Amino acid sequence: SYVLTQSPSVSVAPGKTARITCGGHNIGDKSVHWYQQKRGQAPVLVIYFDSDRPSGIPERFSGSNSGNTATLTISRVEAGDEADYYCQVWDSDTDHREVFGGGTKLTVL
Amino acid sequence: QVQLQESGPGLVKPSQTLSLTCTVSGASVSSGGFYWSWIRQFPGKGLEWIGNIYSSGITYYHLSFKSRVSISIDTSKNQFSLKLTSVTAADTAVYYCARVTTTSDSDYFDSWGQGTLLTVSS
Repeated sequence: SYVLTQSPSVSVAPGKTARITCGGHNIGDKSVHWYQQKRGQAPVLVIYFDSDRPSGIPERFSGSNSGNTATLTISRVEAGDEADYYCQVWDSDTDHREVFGGGTKLTVL
Repeated sequence: QVQLQESGPGLVKPSQTLSLTCTVSGASVSSGGFYWSWIRQFPGKGLEWIGNIYSSGITYYHLSFKSRVSISIDTSKNQFSLKLTSVTAADTAVYYCARVTTTSDSDYFDSWGQGTLLTVSS
């Protein structure tokens, strides 16, 4: 089955840029989607198809995907961005189909 | 705007069958281009996909659940449901229902319910 690897935690000061990575074998050949989950809430889609933003998601959120790493970048980080972030791909080759990364906890210092 | 709401017993005894229903508003479960999905999250842990269903009844399940899981859809009630048999304490989790946008290239979860905590305990 396809495996997505995320670092458990990332810390960043307010106003700085946070980069959250998602590793997978040739992940650049797949489309990567990102979800934000704040404490006690359901996940929310923040990036789809590597770099597209749903309506209502600030332009500060952006994404890229190449080689073996996809990256979610949050510019000008705010306290309200503190959350768990999950990457996800569709693995058409196996019954696992929808695969999530283990999640990264973003802490705003 | 699509809204999803999970409903279920909250507490199930070991070896029994877990049954959850997701009621959809603001969209039709009969609409093309979407799957309807169940995902769970263990306390303090990551997300685990359980399975998807299309309006036609076509289903896809995570391999580790295949022998225990069943997802069904009721277009007349605009609902879809999850059944998980022979539950154990390891099935204690928050269960989410979600809408999946599906294309030829990929699937992604564009809308989620608020989640419902299901505890397995005698």
